[in-house]
Amino acid sequence: SQTIHQWPATLVQPVGSPLSLECTVEGTSNPNLYWYRQAAGRGLQLLFYSVGIGQISSEVPQNLSASRPQDRQFILSSKKLLLSDSGFYLCAWSHAGTGSQKGYYEQYFGPGTRLTVT
Amino acid sequence: AQSVTQLDSQVPVFEEAPVELRCNYSSSVSVYLFWYVQYPNQGLQLLLKYLSGSTLVESINGFEAEFNKSQTSFHLRKPSVHISDTAEYFCAVSRRAAGNKLTFGGGTRVLVKP
Repeated sequence: SQTIHQWPATLVQPVGSPLSLECTVEGTSNPNLYWYRQAAGRGLQLLFYSVGIGQISSEVPQNLSASRPQDRQFILSSKKLLLSDSGFYLCAWSHAGTGSQKGYYEQYFGPGTRLTVT
Repeated sequence: AQSVTQLDSQVPVFEEAPVELRCNYSSSVSVYLFWYVQYPNQGLQLLLKYLSGSTLVESINGFEAEFNKSQTSFHLRKPSVHISDTAEYFCAVSRRAAGNKLTFGGGTRVLVKP
């Protein structure tokens, strides 16, 4: 079966410090990968998604970046954190699907990382 | 582009009472529809999904949702809620034959009271 891991679970960082959140998936190959942010009292905002190694699409301009150095590893980074970067960060994966099956597969979410920027 | 509207941000309900969470979507193409549940400080879990076929779909824990194409809705219902159903519920859509990106609604927080 497939599992998805995220770490750390919680993180408190000062403004201006760097950030690195990691997500790994086990039990599947060539998944689509996603990073979401959930701010307090708000819904989910898709930040980045990836359909393959080195292929990253950004949904929202910001001071965050993402990388996919390996097939099942997805990293969210920042060089300098802002107060507004605080939130709950969720990684997710889905099967890729081809042709008419694109959009068919649900996403599976990791346990999340609670980031507080002070 | 598609959008998803969850009309109620919070729904208080007494234990063993029924609950309905409303979800409407807009899209110029056919979509797949999903409901996710998020318990406090956890990730999201898939509750149920509509891909094709019967418009009424059910989950293993008593929830059901009905796809209504003419009203572009996918409302979630449970005839009798438990304290353990206290959580936030998200409706989401993805476009058929497009990528697997999901568009989420703003979420509905359900608080079940004893």
